Formats: sequence, C-alpha cells, structure tokens
Amino acid sequence: EIVMTQSPATLSVSPGERATLSCRASQSVSSNLAWYQQKPGQAPRLLIYGASTRATGIPARFSGSGSGTEFTLTISSLQSEDFAVYYCQQYNNWPPNFGGGTKVEIK
Amino acid sequence: QVQLVESGGGVVQPGRSLRLSCAASGFTFSSYGMHWVRQAPGKGLEWVAVIWYDGSNKYYADSVKGRFTISRDNSKNTLYLQMNSLRAEDTAVYYCALVGATDAFDIWGQGTMVTVSS
Repeated sequence: EIVMTQSPATLSVSPGERATLSCRASQSVSSNLAWYQQKPGQAPRLLIYGASTRATGIPARFSGSGSGTEFTLTISSLQSEDFAVYYCQQYNNWPPNFGGGTKVEIK
Repeated sequence: QVQLVESGGGVVQPGRSLRLSCAASGFTFSSYGMHWVRQAPGKGLEWVAVIWYDGSNKYYADSVKGRFTISRDNSKNTLYLQMNSLRAEDTAVYYCALVGATDAFDIWGQGTMVTVSS
C-alpha cells in the first residue's frame, strides 16, 4: 500500500501571498496524483488531476507540479475563499490513498 | 447537473447494521464506477470501497473487508453500502464519489453521518 505524506500539517499565510503545499508518495505514482480542497462542513472538491491539470472551473492561481514521488500544489495569491484543508491522493495503485491533509489558515 | 445525494446515516449501536444509499442524477450512472469514501470527525479522508460500472468487480479497504458490502442498482441509479458489525471506529461522514474521465474523484455527494455508539 502506498503511503501519502503531506507537509506541512498547517500553513499560515497572509491573503495575497503565495502558498506552497507538498505531497510525497512512498513509491512512484507516476503522474496519477490529484489535489482536493475541503472547507468546513463541505465535501471535498477536485482541484488538480494528473498532477498538473486543473479541473473544470478551477482558477488559474491553483497549479500542480511533480511526478514520481514528489508533488507540489501552489496557490499563487491566496484569496479569502482559499483558506481550507487540502488533500493529495494517488490513483496509480490500489487502494487509492489520501494524504493526511494540509490546513491553510489565515496568518 | 451531475448530483450525488447520500442518505441512510444515523446513530447505531456497536455490532448492529446500517445501509447507506447514494442517489445519482445528471449522468449515465450505469457507465461509471462508484466509490465510498469516509471521514472520521476531525480526521482525513479514507477510501472505503469501489464497485465497477456493471457491478462485476468490488474492492474494499482492509479496515472494512468482510463487514461492508458495496452494491448498485443501475435501474434505480442508486449506489449502496451495507455496513454490518459496526464498530466505534466506523463513526464518520460517508461520501459517495464518482470517478470520471479524470481518473480522480470528480464528483462527491454531500455526505451522510454515521455514528456508532452505545
């Protein structure tokens, strides 16, 4: 089973600043990596798939990069609606595991 | 539009059973594999089970194998999760989710809360 590790657990950022979130896989998942955003009381929302492709309707300030075992989600200029928890998930192998999440909070 | 609506959650005693449902609309349900994903209070996301578009294959997380059964009725556009021998650690919000052309979880329901407590 592939283990997904996200860092940091919490990221404090001021509005307008750049946020960089990391996700590491215990073995290669190629580019089969997705990122989700979850706000309190809501279901997760797909942001990025294929490591770097934005899902429909996702703003361009969200970008994903990486392949193999190291991945990054970058939010170029944080807006108030971006403060949330972000999860990475691999779908290269069964089971399709999630990382533990990174909470992006207002600094 | 594409929509998934879960139901059937509630409070249940340890060892008892519960069946969750997920009603799908806005897409050709019988063409897509469907998943259940859960989230314990204050915790992260945990994949639970998947069923192929035609019901021919089913896979489960080790934590629920032998206790949970995923099924579907394509004539009713509905996904199910039969949960038996429930434990306190099964307490969570249960989401149904659709894997579409992206190969990721494109669409999620709003979730249904299951609480296992005496």
